[in-house]
Amino acid sequence: AQSVAQPEDQVNVAEGNPLTVKCTYSVSGNPYLFWYVQYPNRGLQFLLKYITGDNLVKGSYGFEAEFNKSQTSFHLKKPSALVSDSALYFCAVRDSGSARQLTFGSGTQLTVLP
Amino acid sequence: DVKVTQSSRYLVKRTGEKVFLECVQDMDHENMFWYRQDPGLGLRLIYFSYDVKMKEKGDIPEGYSVSREKKERFSLILESASTNQTSMYLCASSLGEDLNTGELFFGEGSRLTVL
Repeated sequence: AQSVAQPEDQVNVAEGNPLTVKCTYSVSGNPYLFWYVQYPNRGLQFLLKYITGDNLVKGSYGFEAEFNKSQTSFHLKKPSALVSDSALYFCAVRDSGSARQLTFGSGTQLTVLP
Repeated sequence: DVKVTQSSRYLVKRTGEKVFLECVQDMDHENMFWYRQDPGLGLRLIYFSYDVKMKEKGDIPEGYSVSREKKERFSLILESASTNQTSMYLCASSLGEDLNTGELFFGEGSRLTVL
């Protein structure tokens, strides 16, 4: 079985400060990991993914994420937050050895305060 | 760019009605998925399909069925809508197994309200 946990329902950060949105996962095999963002009343947009290779993955809009196998984590980060980054963020995992589908976390609402 | 189109953005139906949600993708993707999104619960997989006329149950298939008669189209059917099916429904597609990392391309969503 595969699962994802996003321990924070809400993250608030001041504009210009660094932001982190946390994600931990559980799989039997090797994980494929994803971050998606959702703006109000819209579908999900892909931000970045980890498949293999470098543990630090860079994605859209200046976001990056670090894969940590020992801690089974894949936290999303950005060095300097923008008000326009305010949105709902979802982490997702796929067990590369056994699953066709992604399993999503419960989501984290990020609010960047001006 | 991949485009996944959901036919209705907003629907209001009555309890007991039959509801069809349609989804079409234009990138020749093998895999298609239906999720529902509820606050605090994230996205939960209802059904998915990896080929025409094939379907597999996801985590919450009860009360739903699906149809995939053509590769580009995947329909979600609520045979008899109930109020607990009020939700946002998201359709997604992805490449076939040989090339598939699992990355999904989503439609804009269909917000269904059952009265």
